[in-house]
Amino acid sequence: DQQVKQNSPSLSVQEGRISILNCDYTNSMFDYFLWYKKYPAEGPTFLISISSIKDKNEDGRFTVFLNKSAKHLSLHIVPSQPGDSAVYFCAARGGADGLTFGKGTHLIIQP
Amino acid sequence: DARVTQTPRDKVTEMGQEVTMRCQPILGHNTVFWYRQTMMQGLELLAYFRNRAPLDDSGMPKDRFSAEMPDATLATLKIQPSEPRDSAVYFCASGSGQAQETQYFGPGTRLLVL
Repeated sequence: DQQVKQNSPSLSVQEGRISILNCDYTNSMFDYFLWYKKYPAEGPTFLISISSIKDKNEDGRFTVFLNKSAKHLSLHIVPSQPGDSAVYFCAARGGADGLTFGKGTHLIIQP
Repeated sequence: DARVTQTPRDKVTEMGQEVTMRCQPILGHNTVFWYRQTMMQGLELLAYFRNRAPLDDSGMPKDRFSAEMPDATLATLKIQPSEPRDSAVYFCASGSGQAQETQYFGPGTRLLVL
């Protein structure tokens, strides 16, 4: 049973617009959430994280929102740029140190 | 430029052969993780170490997989004997061991077992 779900395998967004990637989780023990970005033939690269005691964290063009009651988090990228085209993974951790990953969303930024 | 390194980057082998993958964590990081990525399962945690001691290997098939840290600068993941279903990309990641650490990933070893 998947504990972290990214229900959109792909998302296409026009350059300059906002990209919103969504993630749902089921394990209420998760207390730390991360987003990773992955290009082909490379390892995942850390993007942004959020602790469960917060509901928003912002870093430049990237903002992560956490809704604990809904067990939902989202990553907003604004404005979207061509270099943002990649696979984005949502990950969560609770207690143990290993991360539980979603299956990823392939973001395509169109010119 | 501190980064996690992994060797080999690509490995093609025949079923039944032994495969050894190596990882050099970021200097000063005391936590090392092994993940496997497949199309069906996505990214899954196989095992991890803290201060070279194995803490959790419940994600790893015990009969054929083994993970070790001979020293603080080297982690190894071994498959013996390998099977076609082991074909995947294997990632190593390291972290500082702090409460809300970020894990930094290596480029991965792409394994194909024929």
